[in-house]
Amino acid sequence: GEDVEQSLFLSVREGDSSVINCTYTDSSSTYLYWYKQEPGAGLQLLTYIFSNMDMKQDQRLTVLLNKKDKHLSLRIADTQTGDSAIYFCAESLSGTYKYIFGTGTRLKVLA
Amino acid sequence: GAGVSQSPSNKVTEKGKDVELRCDPISGHTALYWYRQRLGQGLEFLIYFQGNSAPDKSGLPSDRFSAERTGESVSTLTIQRTQQEDSAVYLCASSLEGHGYTFGSGTRLTVV
Repeated sequence: GEDVEQSLFLSVREGDSSVINCTYTDSSSTYLYWYKQEPGAGLQLLTYIFSNMDMKQDQRLTVLLNKKDKHLSLRIADTQTGDSAIYFCAESLSGTYKYIFGTGTRLKVLA
Repeated sequence: GAGVSQSPSNKVTEKGKDVELRCDPISGHTALYWYRQRLGQGLEFLIYFQGNSAPDKSGLPSDRFSAERTGESVSTLTIQRTQQEDSAVYLCASSLEGHGYTFGSGTRLTVV
């Protein structure tokens, strides 16, 4: 079935790197996304990766995609307290405009 | 508009009453989506619109839920005879041809 899985919690110290992992199900997904949700707010698109790429870097963010294992990760370098939020990965189902979202990983950054 | 706008931002209603939630997408965005987020959980797909038609309404939980979109713009999600399990944040998003959703801030619905 359609299921995107993420670990629920991650705690890191300020200045360290954070790595948030995700496994998805649709091997023909065209795009995979990372969204950030701050308390009381909607979801904000952070970055995305096209399925024919292995890696994408955008400032402090690095996305790694392992298509064979259907594994996606988001690395945040030099994590700051402002990065504390819930991070959702999402896959776009092939042939549709529908996204399937993971359960979200709550990142807590300790000062 | 500049972003996706949802109203009301908060709604408290009595069990059994009907509620209407509104979404104003980004101007020109052809696709519009409704998701539900229960407390501490991920996003649950409800329905999506391409223009004014809904090719996929598979996520609507029951016949108490309905949605419409007019003028390829505003959408309303209606929940009839609300139940306590309907309490959640209802999120709307829009996109240009399905790539890269932009979300609104959501409507927090509390059924008491």
